[in-house]
Amino acid sequence: GAVVSQHPSRVICKSGTSVKIECRSLDFQATTMFWYRQFPKQSLMLMATSNEGSKATYEQGVEKDKFLINHASLTLSTLTVTSAHPEDSSFYICSARAGAREQYFGPGTRLTVT
Amino acid sequence: QKEVEQNSGPLSVPEGAIASLNCTYSDRGSQSFFWYRQYSGKSPELIMFIYSNGDKEDGRFTAQLNKASQYVSLLIRDSQPSDSATYLCAVNREAAGNKLTFGGGTRVLVKP
Repeated sequence: GAVVSQHPSRVICKSGTSVKIECRSLDFQATTMFWYRQFPKQSLMLMATSNEGSKATYEQGVEKDKFLINHASLTLSTLTVTSAHPEDSSFYICSARAGAREQYFGPGTRLTVT
Repeated sequence: QKEVEQNSGPLSVPEGAIASLNCTYSDRGSQSFFWYRQYSGKSPELIMFIYSNGDKEDGRFTAQLNKASQYVSLLIRDSQPSDSATYLCAVNREAAGNKLTFGGGTRVLVKP
């Protein structure tokens, strides 16, 4: 149990375009989902916390107008990277909380902006 | 002082031996503790969680928690080459909105 999927797994886009990443909890309902970013050889960096039916809470230094998060249902959260630039190229990973505390991660989305 | 600290490694372990990983945390209000395994280029996979002082065993893995000393450890028995990965310690505080704070990870290399 506790399976989280992400789509797409890999995306290449041109600078200035927007990219949407989907995160789904497949076998449980997740009231809270989290979005992380990971650069090569670095640890995970939490970007935002997404609660179903309410606005996301962004970590300090993360631009909410650039990284749009929508958590429309108990099984789906989306992250849209708007006007992407090469420096946004990274590994984006979502996680969903099952139960009170455990978080399970999706497989990640590798974004390359050219 | 970092909130969650781990030795970056690499921790080199012969196949069949025990790998011992340590993690210390600074916030005494931390309530739950997690170990994730991350293979290169992949996302983290939850392998253990522990909430109470003492030991918790699951297969070849044992997590140990000592809240008084603010450390949590992970033992991997009978280490296999497939255990070679980066192990991330994560700490959760409910008062902080149940967000996980990660350590930098310990890279483990199991040599045949």
